[in-house]
Amino acid sequence: NAGVMQNPRHLVRRRGQEARLRCSPMKGHSHVYWYRQLPEEGLKFMVYLQKENIIDESGMPKERFSAEFPKEGPSILRIQQVVRGDSAAYFCASSVGQGIYNEQFFGPGTRLTVL
Amino acid sequence: DQQVKQNSPSLSVQEGRISILNCDYTNSMFDYFLWYKKYPAEGPTFLISISSIKDKNEDGRFTVFLNKSAKHLSLHIVPSQPGDSAVYFCAASARSGNNDMRFGAGTRLTVKP
Repeated sequence: NAGVMQNPRHLVRRRGQEARLRCSPMKGHSHVYWYRQLPEEGLKFMVYLQKENIIDESGMPKERFSAEFPKEGPSILRIQQVVRGDSAAYFCASSVGQGIYNEQFFGPGTRLTVL
Repeated sequence: DQQVKQNSPSLSVQEGRISILNCDYTNSMFDYFLWYKKYPAEGPTFLISISSIKDKNEDGRFTVFLNKSAKHLSLHIVPSQPGDSAVYFCAASARSGNNDMRFGAGTRLTVKP
């Protein structure tokens, strides 16, 4: 029973390029959350998705960032025209159901470095 | 806005002694609190939680205390073991609708043999 999988684990991009981060939730989980951890800071909520729907994107920057969770395949966090300030660890979590009592299981994260 | 604060970036304790990690929050709407443990190069893993209707929750060596009036919670680990060395994140959430958790910046615990 594989846990939450994220790839790539490390991603290096030059300023202006696009970054695509993938997250495969645990088997049976249909709820996905993306968090960002900047250096020396805690995890910050970005977006919550269910299959084919964005439920809450209140933590997502308004520009350059987008997320999707298609009917088939992993959830994708896409960052267009990356800047140095996007360098961070991006964590994905998944849960069985909705609500705070449904434990979120985290993936190992993708560390994005923007040169 | 930092709604969940962990003011101690690091803590060092001797094996066998008690570790106390502290967390403060500002949002009175928070009513569910969690502690996560994170090893390097891994994602956070859930450790223990507490609902606002309780003031204490215990699970083996781990106990979380909640003081709602002070908007403060703490995690006690006793006895501490070297394998407990990790970064501990406090998180809080409001029951009403939101699924996002607010995390503190974390406290790095080092348990010395």
